[in-house]
Amino acid sequence: QVQLTESGPGLVHPSETLSLTCTVSGFSLTGYSVYWVRQPSGKGLEWMGRMRYNGDTSYNSALKSRLSISRDTSKNQVFLKMNSLQTDDTGTYYCTRGGDPFAYWGQGTLVTVSS
Amino acid sequence: DVVMTQTPPSLSVAIGQSVSISCKSSQSLVYSDGKTYLHWLLQSPGQSPKLLIYQVSNLGSGVPDRFSGTGSQKDFTLKISRVEAEDLGVYYCVQATHFPYTFGAGTKLELK
Repeated sequence: QVQLTESGPGLVHPSETLSLTCTVSGFSLTGYSVYWVRQPSGKGLEWMGRMRYNGDTSYNSALKSRLSISRDTSKNQVFLKMNSLQTDDTGTYYCTRGGDPFAYWGQGTLVTVSS
Repeated sequence: DVVMTQTPPSLSVAIGQSVSISCKSSQSLVYSDGKTYLHWLLQSPGQSPKLLIYQVSNLGSGVPDRFSGTGSQKDFTLKISRVEAEDLGVYYCVQATHFPYTFGAGTKLELK
């Protein structure tokens, strides 16, 4: 069955870089896009960007200068890197599958930005 | 960016009551292929969001038919008939027609 699992450091210091991994199973990254969505604590959802099935990427313009999404198809993984983290980047980060959009989500990974 | 305006921000309902949530977009959500990529999600407490309705009016897998979606262009509505306890949480509309995709601010459904 389709599964997505986010993993990451949990705690990041201000001004540092966040690195997250979305490991997928039950489908191919060359057949479906993967999106990153985040949710600041107690707030709503924000679409961050996507890795398309063909390797192209699209980013939220509000984050584009800080954000990079890549993948390793041999490992079924999609990566998110975001630099210059600040306290308002604290929240839960999700990956979700495209195609049948938003039908499959990971459990989310909580990222806390704190010194 | 397309702004998604959801109302009301919260609803207090009794079990068995019917409710509607509105979602209005700042631009038409009809894509060049003629389809409208407006979806509805439910985030239950402590859970990841779950797809309820895709492309305005199509029920997601396993979603009961108490849920229905209507609308076109810039004006959309989610209706829940006969609310049950498992329906409580925050409802989001999301548009996937224009980049970047954008979400409404959410409607919190609570028990009266």
